[in-house]
Amino acid sequence: DGGITQSPKYLFRKEGQNVTLSCEQNLNHDAMYWYRQDPGQGLRLIYYSQIVNDFQKGDIAEGYSVSREKKESFPLTVTSAQKNPTAFYLCASSMRGDRTGNTEAFFGQGTRLTVV
Amino acid sequence: AQTVTQSQPEMSVQEAETVTLSCTYDTSESDYYLFWYKQPPSRQMILVIRQEAYKQQNATENRFSVNFQKAAKSFSLKISDSQLGDAAMYFCAYRYISNFGNEKLTFGTGTRLTIIP
Repeated sequence: DGGITQSPKYLFRKEGQNVTLSCEQNLNHDAMYWYRQDPGQGLRLIYYSQIVNDFQKGDIAEGYSVSREKKESFPLTVTSAQKNPTAFYLCASSMRGDRTGNTEAFFGQGTRLTVV
Repeated sequence: AQTVTQSQPEMSVQEAETVTLSCTYDTSESDYYLFWYKQPPSRQMILVIRQEAYKQQNATENRFSVNFQKAAKSFSLKISDSQLGDAAMYFCAYRYISNFGNEKLTFGTGTRLTIIP
């Protein structure tokens, strides 16, 4: 079945450690996104990528890094520079924008990161 | 920069009644898409409805419909015959169409909808 998979579902990290969240899709989508969601908050964009080997900073990129070496994969690293990393992280993917109508984003089930 | 504003943090509606959730956006683009997503307690994001800016006709999906006012940059969601399963967080989202990439997908802060039995 086609879809987008995030792993792990729950992740615990000690302060000062980097941690990488996985996001894989087999939908043949060009665009991929990472969002952060805090309790009672909307989705804030961290990074996004339209093609392999290219990505852009979103609204809250500080303390995060990404790579896009393969079309299917868009891992997010939460670095020790991120001062408040405890949050729910959502990955999404979509087709490139055009007028065929197939432009909605599909989401993974999320990763809950807790700093201990 | 594109921004999406949802001015109603919380709404409630009696079961079987109709409710309207508001969304406004700011953009200088003329060609874009607007979406409403639903996030139930499972936190899985589910697409509710989509509107293409170049279409004048308002989108409908069963009990869900939108009122798209392009000049006013307004995109409200109407839920008719509300059901208990409609209880969720609802997010409005904007994405513009670009020939040069950089197609950012921007979300509002959400409206929490409660259904009263």
